[in-house]
Amino acid sequence: AQSVAQPEDQVNVAEGNPLTVKCTYSVSGNPYLFWYVQYPNRGLQFLLKYITGDNLVKGSYGFEAEFNKSQTSFHLKKPSALVSDSALYFCAVRDSRGGYNKLIFGAGTRLAVHP
Amino acid sequence: KAGVTQTPRYLIKTRGQQVTLSCSPISGHRSVSWYQQTPGQGLQFLFEYFSETQRNKGNFPGRFSGRQFSNSRSEMNVSTLELGDSALYLCASSLASGGDYNEQFFGPGTRLTVL
Repeated sequence: AQSVAQPEDQVNVAEGNPLTVKCTYSVSGNPYLFWYVQYPNRGLQFLLKYITGDNLVKGSYGFEAEFNKSQTSFHLKKPSALVSDSALYFCAVRDSRGGYNKLIFGAGTRLAVHP
Repeated sequence: KAGVTQTPRYLIKTRGQQVTLSCSPISGHRSVSWYQQTPGQGLQFLFEYFSETQRNKGNFPGRFSGRQFSNSRSEMNVSTLELGDSALYLCASSLASGGDYNEQFFGPGTRLTVL
């Protein structure tokens, strides 16, 4: 079965420190991986994606993610956290069966950045 | 370019009623997907429409249905509402369906409360 796991319900980090939000996946075939962010009372905002190519993917708002095939991971990172980064983060994988647009999401990780 | 719009933003219904939610995708986008977001189940795929055809369907009962019009606008309907249908319903639009993947852009969602 295809799935995504976000092992941490919440991540706390001090402003200015680096942050990492973890994601592991299980898919058949090549993975199409995504990170989205959700602010209160808002929909999901696309941050970045990995389809193929370089294992380090750069996205919006200074975020980046590292694809690791051997560890089946796709961790989200940022060198210096901002208080405004506090939000709910979702990792997702495209369901490769059928070849359409269905996304399978992780449970989400709440990021809290403290001043 | 205008983003994905969803109407209404908030809705309160009682058990047994039915409800229709609307989604207008980004201009030029032909794929519309629907997701249900609840605290317990997280984000779950409902269905995807492309060129007025349902391409994919998630694991939801037949009370959940949808359609897409020739202008790509989509509606989803839930009949015989249950308390457990209370959720944030998110719509996402994309240029195409499958193939060279295009990222999905999400609307702000419709918050449905069933009393």
